[in-house]
Amino acid sequence: GENVEQHPSTLSVQEGDSAVIKCTYSDSASNYFPWYKQELGKRPQLIIDIRSNVGEKKDQRIAVTLNKTAKHFSLHITETQPEDSAVYFCAAGTEGGKLIFGQGTELSVKP
Amino acid sequence: NAGVTQTPKFQVLKTGQSMTLQCAQDMNHNSMYWYRQDPGMGLRLIYYSASEGTTDKGEVPNGYNVSRLNKREFSLRLESAAPSQTSVYFCASTRDRGPYEQYFGPGTRLTVT
Repeated sequence: GENVEQHPSTLSVQEGDSAVIKCTYSDSASNYFPWYKQELGKRPQLIIDIRSNVGEKKDQRIAVTLNKTAKHFSLHITETQPEDSAVYFCAAGTEGGKLIFGQGTELSVKP
Repeated sequence: NAGVTQTPKFQVLKTGQSMTLQCAQDMNHNSMYWYRQDPGMGLRLIYYSASEGTTDKGEVPNGYNVSRLNKREFSLRLESAAPSQTSVYFCASTRDRGPYEQYFGPGTRLTVT
C-alpha cells in the first residue's frame, strides 16, 4: 500500500546549525508534499508545501526539495533557533485528497 | 473564524463503552478527515469525507464509524471501545479533494481502560 518513510526519528542540533529531514514515498501518483510542525500538546500546522511540478521551494529559513524520479523529498531548516524545536511530519498526497504521513522527526535545537 | 473545533478535549472510557467525537469547521470546506496519532507512528487516516454525503475508509477504519452530518460537521463514533483505541484523535478539513493544505483541530485525547 501507500507508504511514507521519514528519517531520522530524532535530530539534535546546536542553535545556528542546519537541520535536514528526509522522506521517501511509494505512490508514484503522489503530487503534493506538505510539511507540518507540531509543538508539544498542539495541533499540526503547515509550514511549507511543494507540488510535483516544482523541484525546490523556499520560505525564509525553510526550504523543501523534491526528486520525483527517486521519490524523495527533504526539509531544510537553516540557522536553527530554539523555537524550531518540535516534531516535524512529512506527507504525500494525491488528487483524491488523502495525505499519507511519515512517522515524524523530533527536532531539538540546543541553545 | 474558529477554524476546526473538536469536542471533547479529553475523555476516559472503560472497555466496551461507546462514544462520539465531534468535529466542526467554519471555513466552508468540502472535505473532512479523522486521524489518530500514536507515538512513533505519525498520523494515520481513519475515515474521510470528500464532500457532504460521502464517506470513505482510510488506513485504519476498524472499530470506528463516521457520519458527515452536514457540510460543517463530521463525527467519529467508537461503538465498543478497546484499549488499542487509546490515542489522540485529530479532525482536519480542506477546501476540496485537492490535495490542499489540511487544517487541523486541537485534538481529543482518549484513554480506554
